[in-house]
Amino acid sequence: GAVVSQHPSRVICKSGTSVKIECRSLDFQATTMFWYRQFPKQSLMLMATSNEGSKATYEQGVEKDKFLINHASLTLSTLTVTSAHPEDSSFYICSARHPDGVNEQFFGPGTRLTVL
Amino acid sequence: AQSVAQPEDQVNVAEGNPLTVKCTYSVSGNPYLFWYVQYPNRGLQFLLKYITGDNLVKGSYGFEAEFNKSQTSFHLKKPSALVSDSALYFCAVRSFSGGYNKLIFGAGTRLAVHP
Repeated sequence: GAVVSQHPSRVICKSGTSVKIECRSLDFQATTMFWYRQFPKQSLMLMATSNEGSKATYEQGVEKDKFLINHASLTLSTLTVTSAHPEDSSFYICSARHPDGVNEQFFGPGTRLTVL
Repeated sequence: AQSVAQPEDQVNVAEGNPLTVKCTYSVSGNPYLFWYVQYPNRGLQFLLKYITGDNLVKGSYGFEAEFNKSQTSFHLKKPSALVSDSALYFCAVRSFSGGYNKLIFGAGTRLAVHP
């Protein structure tokens, strides 16, 4: 089946630093990828839709200058949390839309970000 | 606006008993509905979806879901629960906005299956 990977799986950083999270579709090309944020015991909140070769579309209330998204190729999207603060600590999950359209989205395993 | 409600925060069931995880939806037009499962510190795994056709949809790991248009429900079911089914379950509906198809997730229901 289709596989989506994320790297790193866990990251701890100091407040004020930037952190980059990678999302890769390993065995298919994804023109569209999605970034979600999940707080403990809560649902997934869509942050942005990432399209290869164009600017990401951010959901209302998500700061585009803080959460930089780049979809440089058909298999890679990156999320950079700039000037991270403790309130940015969360579980970040990406997903990718498979071109066959059978399954809506394939999800990565998530990245646990802790900002000290 | 499209929305999904999962009325139960947690469902407890004994191993071997049937389980039901509830989901109701609100959409304009025909709904595209999904169930996903999440294990601790993992991403979501697709279980099943309803697009059109038979109201009873069969999915992975022995799960099935029944689409009920009159009750606007899409409850997840399994005839005999396993301890390994214990996880967080999300119902989702497809929403088209801003030029894209997106998934709108319910709050999630934690399923605990006891030996």
